[in-house]
Amino acid sequence: QKEVEQNSGPLSVPEGAIASLNCTYSDRGSQSFFWYRQYSGKSPELIMSIYSNGDKEDGRFTAQLNKASQYVSLLIRDSQPSDSATYLCAGVSMDSNYQLIWGAGTKLIIKP
Amino acid sequence: EAEVAQSPRYKITEKSQAVAFWCDPISGHATLYWYRQILGQGPELLVQFQDESVVDDSQLPKDRFSAERLKGVDSTLKIQPAELGDSAMYLCASSRAANYGYTFGSGTRLTVV
Repeated sequence: QKEVEQNSGPLSVPEGAIASLNCTYSDRGSQSFFWYRQYSGKSPELIMSIYSNGDKEDGRFTAQLNKASQYVSLLIRDSQPSDSATYLCAGVSMDSNYQLIWGAGTKLIIKP
Repeated sequence: EAEVAQSPRYKITEKSQAVAFWCDPISGHATLYWYRQILGQGPELLVQFQDESVVDDSQLPKDRFSAERLKGVDSTLKIQPAELGDSAMYLCASSRAANYGYTFGSGTRLTVV
Protein backbone atom coordinates (compact mmCIF):
# COMPACT_ATOMS: atom_id res chain seq x y z
CA GLN A 1 0.00 0.00 0.00
CA LYS A 2 1.36 3.38 -0.99
CA GLU A 3 2.08 5.59 1.99
CA VAL A 4 3.26 9.02 2.96
CA GLU A 5 4.67 9.25 6.46
CA GLN A 6 5.19 12.24 8.69
CA ASN A 7 6.16 12.66 12.31
CA SER A 8 3.00 13.77 14.07
CA GLY A 9 4.88 16.12 16.41
CA PRO A 10 4.29 18.49 17.97
CA LEU A 11 7.41 20.19 16.70
CA SER A 12 8.21 23.21 18.83
CA VAL A 13 10.39 25.96 17.32
CA PRO A 14 11.32 29.38 18.74
CA GLU A 15 10.07 32.44 16.92
CA GLY A 16 12.56 33.59 14.30
CA ALA A 17 14.20 30.16 13.92
CA ILE A 18 13.98 27.76 10.99
CA ALA A 19 11.29 25.10 11.18
CA SER A 20 12.08 21.88 9.32
CA LEU A 21 9.28 19.47 8.43
CA ASN A 22 9.91 16.13 6.79
CA CYS A 23 7.98 13.45 5.00
CA THR A 24 8.88 10.15 3.36
CA TYR A 25 6.95 8.29 0.69
CA SER A 26 6.84 4.71 -0.51
CA ASP A 27 5.68 5.10 -4.12
CA ARG A 28 8.74 5.50 -6.35
CA GLY A 29 6.43 6.46 -9.20
CA SER A 30 5.26 9.63 -7.45
CA GLN A 31 6.48 12.70 -9.32
CA SER A 32 4.70 15.59 -7.66
CA PHE A 33 4.41 16.61 -4.05
CA PHE A 34 2.49 19.22 -2.14
CA TRP A 35 2.59 20.84 1.27
CA TYR A 36 -0.64 22.02 2.82
CA ARG A 37 -1.07 24.12 5.95
CA GLN A 38 -4.12 23.48 8.11
CA TYR A 39 -5.12 25.66 11.02
CA SER A 40 -7.22 24.06 13.73
CA GLY A 41 -10.82 23.70 12.60
CA LYS A 42 -10.06 24.97 9.10
CA SER A 43 -9.56 23.31 5.74
CA PRO A 44 -6.12 22.60 4.21
CA GLU A 45 -4.47 25.40 2.23
CA LEU A 46 -1.90 24.67 -0.49
CA ILE A 47 1.36 26.46 0.27
CA MET A 48 4.00 24.70 -1.84
CA SER A 49 4.23 22.30 -4.74
CA ILE A 50 7.39 20.60 -6.01
CA TYR A 51 7.81 18.49 -9.10
CA SER A 52 11.55 17.93 -9.55
CA ASN A 53 14.58 17.10 -7.46
CA GLY A 54 16.14 19.97 -5.59
CA ASP A 55 14.86 23.07 -3.85
CA LYS A 56 11.99 25.40 -4.60
CA GLU A 57 11.72 28.66 -2.74
CA ASP A 58 8.70 30.90 -2.22
CA GLY A 59 9.13 33.70 0.27
CA ARG A 60 9.95 32.21 3.67
CA PHE A 61 9.12 28.69 2.48
CA THR A 62 11.50 26.24 0.78
CA ALA A 63 10.41 22.81 -0.38
CA GLN A 64 13.02 20.15 -1.01
CA LEU A 65 12.58 16.91 -2.95
CA ASN A 66 14.99 13.98 -3.05
CA LYS A 67 13.55 11.24 -5.23
CA ALA A 68 16.48 8.86 -4.70
CA SER A 69 15.90 8.90 -0.95
CA GLN A 70 12.14 9.32 -1.28
CA TYR A 71 11.77 12.23 1.03
CA VAL A 72 10.27 15.68 0.87
CA SER A 73 10.86 18.49 3.29
CA LEU A 74 9.55 21.96 4.01
CA LEU A 75 11.68 24.65 5.60
CA ILE A 76 10.10 27.74 7.10
CA ARG A 77 12.56 30.57 7.72
CA ASP A 78 12.03 33.32 10.29
CA SER A 79 9.18 31.33 11.88
CA GLN A 80 6.26 33.38 13.15
CA PRO A 81 3.56 32.46 15.68
CA SER A 82 1.09 32.59 12.78
CA ASP A 83 2.94 29.62 11.24
CA SER A 84 1.65 27.44 14.09
CA ALA A 85 -0.53 24.87 12.35
CA THR A 86 -0.56 21.30 11.12
CA TYR A 87 1.39 20.74 7.92
CA LEU A 88 0.21 17.98 5.60
CA CYS A 89 2.46 16.39 2.99
CA ALA A 90 0.87 14.74 -0.05
CA GLY A 91 2.17 12.96 -3.13
CA VAL A 92 0.45 12.21 -6.42
CA SER A 93 -0.21 8.56 -7.12
CA MET A 94 0.33 8.11 -10.84
CA ASP A 95 -1.56 4.82 -11.01
CA SER A 96 -4.55 5.80 -8.85
CA ASN A 97 -6.23 8.42 -11.02
CA TYR A 98 -3.64 11.00 -9.92
CA GLN A 99 -5.12 11.05 -6.44
CA LEU A 100 -3.15 12.53 -3.60
CA ILE A 101 -1.75 10.17 -0.99
CA TRP A 102 -1.77 12.06 2.29
CA GLY A 103 0.41 12.01 5.36
CA ALA A 104 -1.28 12.44 8.74
CA GLY A 105 0.38 15.81 9.27
CA THR A 106 2.95 17.36 11.60
CA LYS A 107 1.76 19.81 14.22
CA LEU A 108 4.09 22.82 14.36
CA ILE A 109 4.16 25.19 17.33
CA ILE A 110 6.09 28.45 17.10
CA LYS A 111 6.91 29.77 20.55
CA PRO A 112 7.17 33.58 20.97
CA GLU B 1 -8.97 34.67 -5.96
CA ALA B 2 -11.30 31.85 -7.03
CA GLU B 3 -12.73 29.70 -4.25
CA VAL B 4 -14.47 26.38 -3.76
CA ALA B 5 -17.84 27.07 -2.17
CA GLN B 6 -19.22 24.66 0.42
CA SER B 7 -22.29 24.72 2.58
CA PRO B 8 -23.28 24.47 5.32
CA ARG B 9 -20.22 25.34 7.44
CA TYR B 10 -21.59 23.49 10.45
CA LYS B 11 -24.28 20.84 10.80
CA ILE B 12 -25.62 19.12 13.88
CA THR B 13 -27.94 16.23 13.21
CA GLU B 14 -29.47 13.41 15.18
CA LYS B 15 -28.49 9.82 14.60
CA SER B 16 -30.58 8.17 11.86
CA GLN B 17 -31.45 11.47 10.19
CA ALA B 18 -30.46 12.42 6.66
CA VAL B 19 -27.88 15.12 5.97
CA ALA B 20 -26.61 16.70 2.76
CA PHE B 21 -23.60 18.80 1.86
CA TRP B 22 -23.17 20.98 -1.21
CA CYS B 23 -20.05 22.00 -3.12
CA ASP B 24 -19.44 24.35 -6.04
CA PRO B 25 -15.89 23.98 -7.41
CA ILE B 26 -13.75 26.64 -9.02
CA SER B 27 -15.06 27.42 -12.48
CA GLY B 28 -13.40 25.24 -15.09
CA HIS B 29 -12.14 22.64 -12.63
CA ALA B 30 -13.19 19.31 -14.07
CA THR B 31 -12.07 17.18 -11.15
CA LEU B 32 -13.95 17.30 -7.87
CA TYR B 33 -13.20 15.39 -4.68
CA TRP B 34 -15.10 14.74 -1.47
CA TYR B 35 -12.95 13.98 1.57
CA ARG B 36 -13.65 13.15 5.19
CA GLN B 37 -11.18 14.21 7.83
CA ILE B 38 -11.13 13.05 11.43
CA LEU B 39 -9.23 15.19 13.92
CA GLY B 40 -5.53 14.35 13.95
CA GLN B 41 -5.62 12.42 10.68
CA GLY B 42 -5.01 13.19 7.05
CA PRO B 43 -7.96 13.59 4.67
CA GLU B 44 -9.61 10.36 3.51
CA LEU B 45 -10.93 10.30 -0.05
CA LEU B 46 -14.60 9.40 -0.33
CA VAL B 47 -15.30 10.03 -4.01
CA GLN B 48 -13.61 11.54 -7.07
CA PHE B 49 -15.51 12.97 -10.04
CA GLN B 50 -14.21 13.81 -13.47
CA ASP B 51 -16.88 16.09 -14.94
CA GLU B 52 -20.12 14.26 -14.14
CA SER B 53 -18.60 10.79 -13.95
CA VAL B 54 -17.46 8.98 -10.83
CA VAL B 55 -13.80 8.04 -11.19
CA ASP B 56 -13.33 6.44 -7.78
CA ASP B 57 -15.83 5.76 -5.01
CA SER B 58 -14.12 2.69 -3.59
CA GLN B 59 -13.91 4.23 -0.10
CA LEU B 60 -17.49 5.56 -0.05
CA PRO B 61 -19.74 3.59 2.37
CA LYS B 62 -22.41 3.07 -0.25
CA ASP B 63 -24.98 1.64 2.13
CA ARG B 64 -25.46 5.11 3.60
CA PHE B 65 -23.49 7.61 1.52
CA SER B 66 -24.26 8.87 -1.96
CA ALA B 67 -22.70 11.54 -4.14
CA GLU B 68 -23.71 13.14 -7.39
CA ARG B 69 -22.48 15.76 -9.80
CA LEU B 70 -25.29 15.76 -12.32
CA LYS B 71 -24.20 18.53 -14.71
CA GLY B 72 -20.51 18.26 -14.06
CA VAL B 73 -20.41 21.45 -12.03
CA ASP B 74 -21.66 21.49 -8.44
CA SER B 75 -21.97 18.37 -6.32
CA THR B 76 -23.95 16.99 -3.40
CA LEU B 77 -22.86 14.43 -0.81
CA LYS B 78 -25.62 12.78 1.21
CA ILE B 79 -25.62 10.59 4.29
CA GLN B 80 -28.73 8.61 5.17
CA PRO B 81 -29.01 7.51 7.91
CA ALA B 82 -26.31 9.37 9.82
CA GLU B 83 -24.42 7.47 12.51
CA LEU B 84 -22.40 8.74 15.46
CA GLY B 85 -19.16 7.67 13.74
CA ASP B 86 -19.87 10.01 10.84
CA SER B 87 -18.95 13.03 12.95
CA ALA B 88 -16.04 14.60 11.11
CA MET B 89 -15.05 17.44 8.79
CA TYR B 90 -16.29 16.91 5.23
CA LEU B 91 -14.12 18.64 2.67
CA CYS B 92 -14.69 19.34 -0.99
CA ALA B 93 -11.76 20.07 -3.28
CA SER B 94 -11.30 20.74 -6.97
CA SER B 95 -8.39 20.62 -9.36
CA ARG B 96 -7.94 21.98 -12.87
CA ALA B 97 -6.05 18.93 -14.09
CA ALA B 98 -4.32 15.79 -13.01
CA ASN B 99 -1.04 16.31 -11.21
CA TYR B 100 -2.01 19.75 -9.95
CA GLY B 101 -2.66 20.58 -6.34
CA TYR B 102 -6.18 20.76 -5.05
CA THR B 103 -8.04 23.79 -3.75
CA PHE B 104 -10.24 23.00 -0.77
CA GLY B 105 -13.48 24.59 0.27
CA SER B 106 -14.00 25.73 3.84
CA GLY B 107 -15.45 22.35 4.81
CA THR B 108 -18.52 21.24 6.74
CA ARG B 109 -18.11 20.25 10.36
CA LEU B 110 -20.68 17.51 10.99
CA THR B 111 -21.68 16.49 14.49
CA VAL B 112 -24.03 13.53 14.88
CA VAL B 113 -25.74 13.33 18.28
